[in-house]
Amino acid sequence: SQQGEEDPQALSIQEGENATMNCSYKTSINNLQWYRQNSGRGLVHLILIRSNEREKHSGRLRVTLDTSKKSSSLLITASRAADTASYFCATVDGGKLTFGTGTRLQVTL
Amino acid sequence: EAGVVQSPRYKIIEKKQPVAFWCNPISGHNTLYWYRQNLGQGPELLIRYENEEAVDDSQLPKDRFSAERLKGVDSTLKIQPAELGDSAVYLCASSLALGYYEQFFGPGTRLTVL
Repeated sequence: SQQGEEDPQALSIQEGENATMNCSYKTSINNLQWYRQNSGRGLVHLILIRSNEREKHSGRLRVTLDTSKKSSSLLITASRAADTASYFCATVDGGKLTFGTGTRLQVTL
Repeated sequence: EAGVVQSPRYKIIEKKQPVAFWCNPISGHNTLYWYRQNLGQGPELLIRYENEEAVDDSQLPKDRFSAERLKGVDSTLKIQPAELGDSAVYLCASSLALGYYEQFFGPGTRLTVL
């Protein structure tokens, strides 16, 4: 069963713009992770945010977590064509990773 | 460093036939996971191993699916007999240990059941 739901399901932007994806989940978590999946590199871990953290940065990625609302957001700044992929949030509870349904991001030149 | 290796990459079989997938995790990773990913969905956990022990197989359809991880390294996932609804991508992942949360995924095996 899917734990999280990403919003929007699909997003199309132009290169250089920012992309924001949201994730909502249902149960308590230890941490939340974001993964990217494309045909070239498969499923790759991007960033992890712990349940006691509110915001985390990694390069062009910014993740926020609001445990009171059971939601997270992923911001990709200055997007590139290579960012075209599906993005999944995944919640971790007791060592078990449960993925959401994903956001398909298309970055056009 | 070599990543998670899976084979075959693609498999097409008739329904009711058996099929097996193989996974070799990253060297030194004690925890191994098998996921199934249906088209347009996120991966769903089938089974999780800590060394040789299956610590979570609650999502594995045990009437037709089986898995093993002999010697705590390679793992095999089997379906017998396959059904049309088993068509999906089967992903293997590994991590250093149960409490180490970043998982490294293999390229997956795309199974088509006709």
